[in-house]
Amino acid sequence: AQSVSQHNHHVILSEAASLELGCNYSYGGTVNLFWYVQYPGQHLQLLLKYFSGDPLVKGIKGFEAEFIKSKFSFNLRKPSVQWSDTAEYFCAAVSGNTGKLIFGQGTTLQVKP
Amino acid sequence: GAVVSQHPSRVICKSGTSVKIECRSLDFQATTMFWYRQFPKQSLMLMATSNEGSKATYEQGVEKDKFLINHASLTLSTLTVTSAHPEDSSFYICSAWDRGGNQPQHFGDGTRLSIL
Repeated sequence: AQSVSQHNHHVILSEAASLELGCNYSYGGTVNLFWYVQYPGQHLQLLLKYFSGDPLVKGIKGFEAEFIKSKFSFNLRKPSVQWSDTAEYFCAAVSGNTGKLIFGQGTTLQVKP
Repeated sequence: GAVVSQHPSRVICKSGTSVKIECRSLDFQATTMFWYRQFPKQSLMLMATSNEGSKATYEQGVEKDKFLINHASLTLSTLTVTSAHPEDSSFYICSAWDRGGNQPQHFGDGTRLSIL
């Protein structure tokens, strides 16, 4: 079955530390990949997406992700986190043209000031 | 600003009550909407795909008679939790697919359903 896995469930960092959140997917064929963020009490927001082209994707708020097809991975990175980055992060994938997003388990990021 | 409006944001009701949740796309036509369920500390689980003018498509394990979905117009989908029980308590989130936009889906703010 198609699935998305996030290996880091809870990450605690100090401000200015670098961040990398892992995401692996099990889809075959064409896949579109996304990272969403959910700040406390707010709705899901799209951070970045990969459809095709340059595998290094830059998103909002200084986030980026790299699509590595051979590893079925789409890890999220940020060079220097801020306290305001404290949130829940979800990796998601959609295969084909169904529009159906399959989400990973989510990673809770806590940034200490 | 929000492009998908979900209402109500919170519902508390007695066991056996049916609860209707609305999901509206505000500035685009959504032929397809999705309903997700999120348990505490867990990810979003796709429940069903709502297609305007046709029957919803339910994911495996989701009871279609329990979770009634109606998508009568291009801007509105409703999810009705029938005869709700405490185990139905959860966070329900809808999304609307703007096929002409640059995002795959726009999400509502979610509905916190608590069944006593």
